[in-house]
Amino acid sequence: GAVVSQHPSRVICKSGTSVKIECRSLDFQATTMFWYRQFPKKSLMLMATSNEGSKATYEQGVEKDKFLINHASLTLSTLTVTSAHPEDSSFYICSARVAGIGELFFGEGSRLTVL
Amino acid sequence: AQSVAQPEDQVNVAEGNPLTVKCTYSVSGNPYLFWYVQYPNRGLQFLLKYITGDNLVKGSYGFEAEFNKSQTSFHLKKPSALVSDSALYFCAVRVTGGGNKLTFGTGTQLKVEL
Repeated sequence: GAVVSQHPSRVICKSGTSVKIECRSLDFQATTMFWYRQFPKKSLMLMATSNEGSKATYEQGVEKDKFLINHASLTLSTLTVTSAHPEDSSFYICSARVAGIGELFFGEGSRLTVL
Repeated sequence: AQSVAQPEDQVNVAEGNPLTVKCTYSVSGNPYLFWYVQYPNRGLQFLLKYITGDNLVKGSYGFEAEFNKSQTSFHLKKPSALVSDSALYFCAVRVTGGGNKLTFGTGTQLKVEL
């Protein structure tokens, strides 16, 4: 299957700082990537759809200015958590869909802890 | 709106016994259905999908699922469970022509014991 790489896998930061998480499709081009947030023992919440070369589409209730998404190339999307606070601590997972194939391929996730 | 229900938070099975993880869905239109597995602190791994065709779908690691349109279900099954199957399982649905958005169930924790 297609490989999606996510980095970093774990990050700890101080409250008020910004953190960038990268999501790369390693062996395919992804015009669309998705960012999810997962709370402990909970399902995945879609945060936004990242579109290459255009603005991301955010789900209702997700702060655009808080969670900045950039999809500068066909293989890279980034999520920046700005002015992070402890309540932003979570597991963030990106995914991408290969054109013509139904399923999504997921990154390994990034555990963010804000102190 | 599309939705997925996984009625069981946890399923416990003895190794060697058959396992079933339940999933029902609600969509307007024809569904694409998926099962994913997640190990602790990891991303999701694709197991299998139903798009069209045979209602019985076979996937990775010996798992299979049956699409039942009348019952709007897509239960995940395996004839003989392994301890290594213990993980969090997610059912997901996407509607044909509905874009790329997947809707996930709340997940079912499978625990396989010796």
